Amino acid sequence: SAVISQKPSRDICQRGTSLTIQCQVDSQVTMMFWYRQQPGQSLTLIATANQGSEATYESGFVIDKFPISRPNLTFSTLTVSNMSPEDSSIYLCSVGTGVGNTIYFGEGSWLTVV
Amino acid sequence: GENVEQHPSTLSVQEGDSAVIKCTYSDSASNYFPWYKQELGKRPQLIIDIRSNVGEKKDQRIAVTLNKTAKHFSLHITETQPEDSAVYFCAASKESGAGSYQLTFGKGTKLSVIP
Repeated sequence: SAVISQKPSRDICQRGTSLTIQCQVDSQVTMMFWYRQQPGQSLTLIATANQGSEATYESGFVIDKFPISRPNLTFSTLTVSNMSPEDSSIYLCSVGTGVGNTIYFGEGSWLTVV
Repeated sequence: GENVEQHPSTLSVQEGDSAVIKCTYSDSASNYFPWYKQELGKRPQLIIDIRSNVGEKKDQRIAVTLNKTAKHFSLHITETQPEDSAVYFCAASKESGAGSYQLTFGKGTKLSVIP
C-alpha cells in the first residue's frame, strides 16, 4: 500500500480563518479523494481531486468553501475556507492504489474551530 | 446515488464470541465492498474487502460475505479479542464508470469486546 502523509495532523483554528491541508503520497496514484468525518459520525466524500483539472465536488460541498488543488500525481491540497465551529472535523485524504485500486486513507487532519 | 445502511450501530460481545455486522446497499452497479476499522483517535484502516465476482472472503478471524442478489454484505469476526474493540465501517463503490472508487460509507458499528 502507498504511504500517505497529511499535514497538519492537528490544528486549532480561529473562526473566520482558512487552513490548507496537504496530502503527499510516496508513489503516483490516479485517484485522490478528500473525505470529512464530523465528530462521532461516518465519513463523507467532499470531492475527487483530479490531476490537472478542477476537482469534482459532491452534493453539499462547493469550491468556494473547499478549494482543492492537485498539481501532480502525488500531491493534493484541501483548503477549508472561512471556518466556523461546524467545520470542526477530521479531514482525510485517500488514494486508490495497488491491485484493484484499493482505497487507503491518510492519517487525517484533526481540525478544531474555536 | 448509492445509499449504504449498516446495522447494528452498537454491538457488545464477550471475548471469544463471534460478532456479525450487516450492511445493505442500493446501487446494483456497486461492485467493491471494503470494511474499515477505526480505533479511537486514528484513521480508518482497511481490514478486508470483497469484489462482486466472489461470494465470500476470509482472512484469519475475519470474513466477509456478499449477496449481490439481495444487495447485502456482512462482516464476521470470530474468536473476538479486546483489541477488536473499535468502530467498523462498511462501504460500497463502483470500479468503473462515473464516480468510480468513490466510497459511500455506512454509519458505523461500535464494537465492544468484553474481557
